[in-house]
Amino acid sequence: GAVVSQHPSWVICKSGTSVKIECRSLDFQATTMFWYRQFPKQSLMLMATSNEGSKATYEQGVEKDKFLINHASLTLSTLTVTSAHPEDSSFYICSARLAGGQETQYFGPGTRLLVL
Amino acid sequence: GQNIDQPTEMTATEGAIVQINCTYQTSGFNGLFWYQQHAGEAPTFLSYNVLDGLEEKGRFSSFLSRSKGYSYLLLKELQMKDSASYLCAVMDSSYQLIWGAGTKLIIKP
Repeated sequence: GAVVSQHPSWVICKSGTSVKIECRSLDFQATTMFWYRQFPKQSLMLMATSNEGSKATYEQGVEKDKFLINHASLTLSTLTVTSAHPEDSSFYICSARLAGGQETQYFGPGTRLLVL
Repeated sequence: GQNIDQPTEMTATEGAIVQINCTYQTSGFNGLFWYQQHAGEAPTFLSYNVLDGLEEKGRFSSFLSRSKGYSYLLLKELQMKDSASYLCAVMDSSYQLIWGAGTKLIIKP
């Protein structure tokens, strides 16, 4: 149980385009989903916390107009990187926390974004 | 400030035992997590400790001492596939996960 999927797993795009990444909890409901970014050989960096039906909470230094997060249902959250630039190239990982009090976060497989 | 410390890199031999330490200073405590992350992949959940003591799960065990702000992950009977980064993360009083930088474990035959 507790499977999280992400789509796509790989994205290559031109500078200035927008990219949407989907995160789904497949076999459980997740009231809270998290979006992380990880640069090579560095630890996970939390970008934002996404609660179903409400606005996401962004970490300091993360531009909310650039990284649009939508959590429309208990099983789906999306991250849209708007007007992507080469410095946005990174490994984006979502995680989901089970509804009902369990604190463990289960991670999706990640999306590798390369902006040319 | 909040801080998680763990060694950057460790090397061990196949079949041996290795202990990866993690010390933390956080605003409150709601549990400590260990995750395994293979290169190029997302983290996978290994363990969760919220009470003092040792939690054993197969070849992996995790220990917590809240009074000392200390945890360790113990890996027994090491296999080559255990080569990965091991991430320690603490949930603070606002239920935010504070991540350590990870310990890269290299297993040699």
